[in-house]
Amino acid sequence: DGGITQSPKYLFRKEGQNVTLSCEQNLNHDAMYWYRQDPGQGLRLIYYSQIVNDFQKGDIAEGYSVSREKKESFPLTVTSAQKNPTAFYLCASSKAGEGYGYTFGSGTRLTVV
Amino acid sequence: GQQLNQSPQSMFIQEGEDVSMNCTSSSIFNTWLWYKQDPGEGPVLLIALYKAGELTSNGRLTAQFGITRKDSFLNISASIPSDVGIYFCAGQFRGSQGNLIFGKGTKLSVKP
Repeated sequence: DGGITQSPKYLFRKEGQNVTLSCEQNLNHDAMYWYRQDPGQGLRLIYYSQIVNDFQKGDIAEGYSVSREKKESFPLTVTSAQKNPTAFYLCASSKAGEGYGYTFGSGTRLTVV
Repeated sequence: GQQLNQSPQSMFIQEGEDVSMNCTSSSIFNTWLWYKQDPGEGPVLLIALYKAGELTSNGRLTAQFGITRKDSFLNISASIPSDVGIYFCAGQFRGSQGNLIFGKGTKLSVKP
């Protein structure tokens, strides 16, 4: 069955360390997205990519980096420059163009200790 | 930038009650979507709407694409405990290149 997989489900990081969150999809979707969700908050867009080897900053890109070397994969690195990294991170993918909804992964909860 | 106002922010439900929530935008949207998020999981698509005035059902859920194309409504009939969660509206406008704008969510909880 096709789907989108995020790993790990829970991640603990020490302050000052970079950490990479994995997102893989086998839906043959062109576009992929990363969102951050804080308690009581909505979904805030970090980065998105509509095609391999290209990506754009979202509303809260500072302290994050991404790569899109393969269509199936869109890893997110939370760098030490991100001041408040503890949050729930969601990856999503969709077909290119308008009129398509997103398919979301099950999320990664990152906690800085 | 584009914004979606979703209301209410939260509500308590008693089993059997009907529930309504809505989203309004400052711009005309071509697509409206409704998602549900269970605790600790990713949002799941419930209903997609593509035409002004369109009314679509998915079991006990019914959503409508507003005539003005600037709003959408979601109704849940005869709520049950597993309806609790966060409901998000999302929309696309022409020229958005497929990117969705999300509302801040409506959190449904069970009445104590």
